[in-house]
Amino acid sequence: QQQVKQSPQSLIVQKGGISIINCAYENTAFDYFPWYQQFPGKGPALLIAIRPDVSEKKEGRFTISFNKSAKQFSLHIMDSQPGDSATYFCAANGRKNSGTYKYIFGTGTRLKVLA
Amino acid sequence: DAGVIQSPRHEVTEMGQEVTLRCKPISGHDYLFWYRQTMMRGLELLIYFNNNVPIDDSGMPEDRFSAKMPNASFSTLKIQPSEPRDSAVYFCASSLSPDYGYTFGSGTRLTVV
Repeated sequence: QQQVKQSPQSLIVQKGGISIINCAYENTAFDYFPWYQQFPGKGPALLIAIRPDVSEKKEGRFTISFNKSAKQFSLHIMDSQPGDSATYFCAANGRKNSGTYKYIFGTGTRLKVLA
Repeated sequence: DAGVIQSPRHEVTEMGQEVTLRCKPISGHDYLFWYRQTMMRGLELLIYFNNNVPIDDSGMPEDRFSAKMPNASFSTLKIQPSEPRDSAVYFCASSLSPDYGYTFGSGTRLTVV
């Protein structure tokens, strides 16, 4: 119930193409769904996030699509650029029965955008 | 703001030695998190603090690990004694709220030989 399943594990996209990364969760108590971008040697950086009261959020070339009934959410990167080459993590956050919070991270997708 | 600052960036130590990792969170962030990242297990939450008080340490792997936050601008993660299986990248992150975006530091790459 605490898992977030992310796919694909790796992705190669041509410059200008659309990159799509998918995540699925099980725990309906999750109420915050962020995406993080991580470059080699750096920590993850918050890219975009969504809450379950909306089905889509767009920031520049990055869009989150959220399907509450299917318990799935995805990241779309439009007009992908070589500079987008990084590892992307989805996450889900919610309050546990104990009252504490816990982010659950997906396993990551290594994206490579070819010039 | 300089962001979340971690030190050292790299640490190589021998098995059995004590290791101390340090973190300075963003000023004003009331929440501080320690994560460990490995290829096998991904990003794992070890412990988090709210206003310098440990709230959830259920992710701390065993008694060899301890974390402290003596004030709002400093936290340490200590491993004593260290073992080769502790080799990983350790990240510190801070946030205004636990259900919001986190700002991560650049991490400490620990190698225990």
